Amino acid sequence: DGGITQSPKYLFRKEGQNVTLSCEQNLNHDAMYWYRQDPGQGLRLIYYSQIVNDFQKGDIAEGYSVSREKKESFPLTVTSAQKNPTAFYLCASSMEGVAKNIQYFGAGTRLSVL
Amino acid sequence: DQQVKQNSPSLSVQEGRISILNCDYTNSMFDYFLWYKKYPAEGPTFLISISSIKDKNEDGRFTVFLNKSAKHLSLHIVPSQPGDSAVYFCAATTGGSNYKLTFGKGTLLTVNP
Repeated sequence: DGGITQSPKYLFRKEGQNVTLSCEQNLNHDAMYWYRQDPGQGLRLIYYSQIVNDFQKGDIAEGYSVSREKKESFPLTVTSAQKNPTAFYLCASSMEGVAKNIQYFGAGTRLSVL
Repeated sequence: DQQVKQNSPSLSVQEGRISILNCDYTNSMFDYFLWYKKYPAEGPTFLISISSIKDKNEDGRFTVFLNKSAKHLSLHIVPSQPGDSAVYFCAATTGGSNYKLTFGKGTLLTVNP
């Protein structure tokens, strides 16, 4: 059963703490993405990766970091430098070539600050 | 600067009638457009897309219309069903080597039985 798995579903961060959100896909997609959604807002791109060991900043990368050591995995770390981390985080993936425009999303992780 | 705009935060229609969701864009370099549907606490799911070389694309009850001169696209759902109640996001990309999708803020569609 192919898809994108995000974990955990809910996450709480303490002041000054780094937290890591997991994203795994078994769709054999080359590209992966991280988005943030705030209430009443659209999705905003944090980081994306087209291939293993390579990634680019999106529109709101400050306070976040990523790695892409394996094709299937694209974890996102929310660092203590991100002053307003409370949001719904979505991971997505897409194929290469003409199909790259269609992104498939995971179920999301809701991050809250304690 | 919001490049993709969905000016109606919400829309309510009766079951069986047509739902029309609208989207405007400002970037003339956008050449591929998508609609996503999202239920609460879930990720968006891809619904339908259209390339700028077309003005209409149809998939079952869903049709997307593109008016490039007006920089406007719309999603028609006919007939609307209660299960269609969700937030609908319009997204656009400039294509080519660009992987980035730009999303609108979404429109909450409620289909009343």
